[in-house]
Amino acid sequence: GAGVSQSPSNKVTEKGKDVELRCDPISGHTALYWYRQSLGQGLEFLIYFQGNSAPDKSGLPSDRFSAERTGGSVSTLTIQRTQQEDSAVYLCASSPYITSGGYTFGSGTRLTVV
Amino acid sequence: DQQVKQNSPSLSVQEGRISILNCDYTNSMFDYFLWYKKYPAEGPTFLISISSIKDKNEDGRFTVFLNKSAKHLSLHIVPSQPGDSAVYFCAASADTNAGKSTFGDGTTLTVKP
Repeated sequence: GAGVSQSPSNKVTEKGKDVELRCDPISGHTALYWYRQSLGQGLEFLIYFQGNSAPDKSGLPSDRFSAERTGGSVSTLTIQRTQQEDSAVYLCASSPYITSGGYTFGSGTRLTVV
Repeated sequence: DQQVKQNSPSLSVQEGRISILNCDYTNSMFDYFLWYKKYPAEGPTFLISISSIKDKNEDGRFTVFLNKSAKHLSLHIVPSQPGDSAVYFCAASADTNAGKSTFGDGTTLTVKP
């Protein structure tokens, strides 16, 4: 596609349920990032994929969070046993390579845990 | 401890005037700095960056200044336009991968016609 696509755009879930958020990066972009933006705060790096290399998971806040990237393209961020503090906008970005800022962001998924 | 701080949550300027957005950081290992702009319901858009080997980088109406000794950077927008109204995020990286930057909380800029 022309841009980074994220789905769903909004997700309301009950505390304790698992959720999956999807990111479809720009075709050909080898680098993919997940971020979280809590209300009134800046973006928090979560995880980074580069090609077929092992992902950099250094930003994941707990073992309830995991992500996969299949075939070097689509990525899924999974949050298990959701908590209210997981409520945030989850943003995905991609770039052709490790770059000095030219990342293209998706519009995000707004997750609300009730 | 917040490593990147944008102390002004909001800023309002008149169209045609200069907008100055400020950012302070505490980690002396940061050596690459970025500014992003974000409109509501959209993802951030990269604006401009600066390496610690420079003290100024200019791109059209946007200029970023870096004062390493003060651990301070600023984004100047001249002249400001109503379309510049957005949330501006400052980000800093100590990693060769700028995608792993630490972000500030953002400053909401409103440019009045």
